[in-house]
Amino acid sequence: DGGITQSPKYLFRKEGQNVTLSCEQNLNHDAMYWYRQDPGQGLRLIYYSQIVNDFQKGDIAEGYSVSREKKESFPLTVTSAQKNPTAFYLCASSRGFDYEQYFGPGTRLTVT
Amino acid sequence: QKEVEQDPGPLSVPEGAIVSLNCTYSNSAFQYFMWYRQYSRKGPELLMYTYSSGNKEDGRFTAQVDKSSKYISLFIRDSQPSDSATYLCAMSARYSSASKIIFGSGTRLSIRP
Repeated sequence: DGGITQSPKYLFRKEGQNVTLSCEQNLNHDAMYWYRQDPGQGLRLIYYSQIVNDFQKGDIAEGYSVSREKKESFPLTVTSAQKNPTAFYLCASSRGFDYEQYFGPGTRLTVT
Repeated sequence: QKEVEQDPGPLSVPEGAIVSLNCTYSNSAFQYFMWYRQYSRKGPELLMYTYSSGNKEDGRFTAQVDKSSKYISLFIRDSQPSDSATYLCAMSARYSSASKIIFGSGTRLSIRP
């Protein structure tokens, strides 16, 4: 079964702690993305990667970091510098940068 | 002005009705159009994608693109309660070196049994 997995589904952290969200895909897609979704708002692009070992900042990259060491994996770290980290985080992949994207199930992060 | 505008709703219709969901856009270079369905607390699911103008049909769903008006629509026939979700449009210029997919903010749809 091809698809995108994100883990965990729910994540709770204390303020000041870094946290890493996992994203894995077995679709053999070159491009991967991280979005943040807040209630009543659309998708906001955090980071994207078009190829292994390369990634670019999206519209709201401050307070986040990523790595792309393997084609299948694109983990996102939410650092303590992110002022409002509580949100629903979505990972997506596509065969090319402007091709249709396929999304994972999401991770709900709550920071208190 | 946002590049892609989508009425947030909520839109409430009775079961069996035809639903029309719409997006307008400002960038005339957009030529690749997508529709996603997102259930509450789930990731968006790709429903359909179309390239350039015209209609595309898939079961109860029809995607329509009017590039002259910069307007796209998704029609749902014989709507079911299971169609209740948020629908997001998305589009890109495709084949442009600077293109990326731009998402609408979504329309919340509720189908009343």
